[in-house]
Amino acid sequence: DGGITQSPKYLFRKEGQNVTLSCEQNLNHDAMYWYRQDPGQGLRLIYYSQIVNDFQKGDIAEGYSVSREKKESFPLTVTSAQKNPTAFYLCASSLATMNTEAFFGQGTRLTVV
Amino acid sequence: LAKTTQPISMDSYEGQEVNITCSHNNIATNDYITWYQQFPSQGPRFIIQGYKTKVTNEVASLFIPADRKSSTLSLPRVSLSDTAVYYCLVGDAGAGANNLFFGTGTRLTVIP
Repeated sequence: DGGITQSPKYLFRKEGQNVTLSCEQNLNHDAMYWYRQDPGQGLRLIYYSQIVNDFQKGDIAEGYSVSREKKESFPLTVTSAQKNPTAFYLCASSLATMNTEAFFGQGTRLTVV
Repeated sequence: LAKTTQPISMDSYEGQEVNITCSHNNIATNDYITWYQQFPSQGPRFIIQGYKTKVTNEVASLFIPADRKSSTLSLPRVSLSDTAVYYCLVGDAGAGANNLFFGTGTRLTVIP
């Protein structure tokens, strides 16, 4: 089955620890994205990548880091510098051509205690 | 980047047609209009996309007037399972991720 997979679905971490969220796609999409969603809010863009070995900051990149070593993978690290990391994190991918739809994973709910 | 304005919430009875309007006064010539649906604790799902006039698929219709400064998502005969948040996006996903701008969306509640 083609799709985009995020893991784990739920993640708990202690304050001050870095944590890495996984995102894998087998849709052969060039572009991948990470969003954060807080309760009752819309999605806010953290980082995006249009091509392997290249990525750009979104609106709220502080406290996060990413890598894009493979086309199918775009992991997100939530660092200890992120002041309020508890949130719902969504990964998406799309073709890097005009007017294409984005496909989203099922999300990872991160809780920092 | 063309921002969008949508109603925060709407209620509808089961079986009725629901129309959600989105304003996008600064839409650019190359921009398309795309609607996504999101259920709680899930990722958004593509519903429909259009450039002008009317687009229809098995799920919804999208009406876009000639000036393209607004658009209306029409959901025919809604059911309880259509309760979700609906996002209107304007831009070109392939041209740059910042065009995938999700506002707060419209929370649709379908009442039995």
